[in-house]
Amino acid sequence: KAGVTQTPRYLIKTRGQQVTLSCSPISGHRSVSWYQQTPGQGLQFLFEYFSETQRNKGNFPGRFSGRQFSNSRSEMNVSTLELGDSALYLCASSLGTRSLQETQYFGPGTRLLVL
Amino acid sequence: DQQVKQNSPSLSVQEGRISILNCDYTNSMFDYFLWYKKYPAEGPTFLISISSIKDKNEDGRFTVFLNKSAKHLSLHIVPSQPGDSAVYFCAASAAGTYKYIFGTGTRLKVLA
Repeated sequence: KAGVTQTPRYLIKTRGQQVTLSCSPISGHRSVSWYQQTPGQGLQFLFEYFSETQRNKGNFPGRFSGRQFSNSRSEMNVSTLELGDSALYLCASSLGTRSLQETQYFGPGTRLLVL
Repeated sequence: DQQVKQNSPSLSVQEGRISILNCDYTNSMFDYFLWYKKYPAEGPTFLISISSIKDKNEDGRFTVFLNKSAKHLSLHIVPSQPGDSAVYFCAASAAGTYKYIFGTGTRLKVLA
């Protein structure tokens, strides 16, 4: 079974631009979560989608948005990029059961550098 | 407010000895806990998990212990191997929140 895939793997943008990152979950997984990882900050939760609906979101500004498609693939968009948005963006998928006592499986991440 | 804390940013252990990584949490609603290992330039890899109804879960060289009264969990790796050198993250979730909270990670270095 194929794992979680993320595209692109690396991205360089300039301040003020916008960026869209893509995530394809493991087949059969309906929940997709996004995280931002920066040095010393661990993994910061951005948002979680299930069946095209956002069920929870973290404490990030509105410049960070996402969506999920009917095939469970998800995209994350960051508008008006700032230098501080430089980070590794990770996508994780899981079955998405009601209890969510389940394991999330991560993709390799997209490394974003904002100049 | 950091609800999941890994207070040791790094740990060095001799090959063959036990590695003990610790994690503390503050939210008593957390009922599911996971440990992940992460190599540079890769996504985190799931290691082991534990539900709050248990106090121990074992998988090969990895054992996770949960002390609910102390709001503390630990990951034991026995015996430690050089390939275990990585950053280890603990994570927690509460039922119905659809959200995992991660600690800041502990960098483990296993010395040959």
